[in-house]
Amino acid sequence: AQRVTQPEKLLSVFKGAPVELKCNYSYSGSPELFWYVQYSRQRLQLLLRHISRESIKGFTADLNKGETSFHLKKPFAQEEDSAMYYCALSGFGNEKLTFGTGTRLTIIP
Amino acid sequence: EADIYQTPRYLVIGTGKKITLECSQTMGHDKMYWYQQDPGMELHLIHYSYGVNSTEKGDLSSESTVSRIRTEHFPLTLESARPSHTSQYLCASSAQNSYGYTFGSGTRLTVV
Repeated sequence: AQRVTQPEKLLSVFKGAPVELKCNYSYSGSPELFWYVQYSRQRLQLLLRHISRESIKGFTADLNKGETSFHLKKPFAQEEDSAMYYCALSGFGNEKLTFGTGTRLTIIP
Repeated sequence: EADIYQTPRYLVIGTGKKITLECSQTMGHDKMYWYQQDPGMELHLIHYSYGVNSTEKGDLSSESTVSRIRTEHFPLTLESARPSHTSQYLCASSAQNSYGYTFGSGTRLTVV
């Protein structure tokens, strides 16, 4: 069975401070990991995926297979980063996404 | 514009009524999904489809049913709504999972 754990339901960070949203997963094969974001009054949207190794809106995430983690990081938080963030996993060749419970990030001005 | 559309956005309905939540996408995606999400909780997959005439139940047991007669259309039906069905229902589609899902705006259902 595949599982995604986001240990923090709420996270508050001052503007300009570094941000790290934690995500741990459980999966026996080769996972594909994603971060989704939902801004206020907007739909859930893809932020980034591990296979593309990209930086979106200053956010990066590295897949650590040894620690089974996929933490989302940003060096300097901005007010517009306030949103709900979901980590998600699918198995290789398995198209279904399993989501974590989400972390609500609030950036304090 | 290529997108995924869900209607209605909000629905309040009485117990015992039959309802259909609509989901259509204009991106030509083969794969479509229905997720259920209670406030502050995770998303649970309740149905998915990998193409026309193909539907499967997801990880969370649901009394709802789905159909996929056309590629672009993936409606969800509740034959007899109950208060326990009160939730948000999110529809999504994908061309290939490595590119992630595109989500609709959701339908917030309240059964009274």
